[in-house]
Amino acid sequence: GENVEQHPSTLSVQEGDSAVIKCTYSDSASNYFPWYKQELGKRPQLIIDIRSNVGEKKDQRIAVTLNKTAKHFSLHITETQPEDSAVYFCAARTSNTGNQFYFGTGTSLTVIP
Amino acid sequence: EAEVAQSPRYKITEKSQAVAFWCDPISGHATLYWYRQILGQGPELLVQFQDESVVDDSQLPKDRFSAERLKGVDSTLKIQPAELGDSAMYLCASSLKGSGNTIYFGEGSWLTVV
Repeated sequence: GENVEQHPSTLSVQEGDSAVIKCTYSDSASNYFPWYKQELGKRPQLIIDIRSNVGEKKDQRIAVTLNKTAKHFSLHITETQPEDSAVYFCAARTSNTGNQFYFGTGTSLTVIP
Repeated sequence: EAEVAQSPRYKITEKSQAVAFWCDPISGHATLYWYRQILGQGPELLVQFQDESVVDDSQLPKDRFSAERLKGVDSTLKIQPAELGDSAMYLCASSLKGSGNTIYFGEGSWLTVV
């Protein structure tokens, strides 16, 4: 099956700085890559996603890049704010085995005011 | 905005007891997932339904866990008997049928086994 690795596991940045979280995947049949933000005790919420036919997508302060050749994708948050503090999960969906989603282990982001 | 509904939100049960969680997906979502999330880790798929059929339950500990979605709408996940290691958050999620659709999570059911 698919294997998604996520780095770093923890990340601290000063307010206003940028944060980058990276994920790699193993299954070349994976074709959809969402990112979720999870605040303590709450549900994971989709913040941005990218499909395999696109190299980059941006939504205000958040952007995601995908390198299919290298099988890695990254989340970029610019001008970070304290409310960006949360755990972020990447995921990959493979077209094999019924369109399953595989999640990374999460990155705990802390934005220091 | 439609949401995935789950209950109960919190459950404390004694070891060896039975526990059940309920999920109502977003209306029209044919695919339903049950994930287990241990604190500090990413969600791990337990079972995936397409309508009323199981698509994947390879990671479901079938000796103690069972899941059903009899009418292809809401679903129940049961654990019997519960063990200490089952303490986790159980997340239900749903998506539209077919590729290209993301999944939406419920608020989760926190289970503590004592």
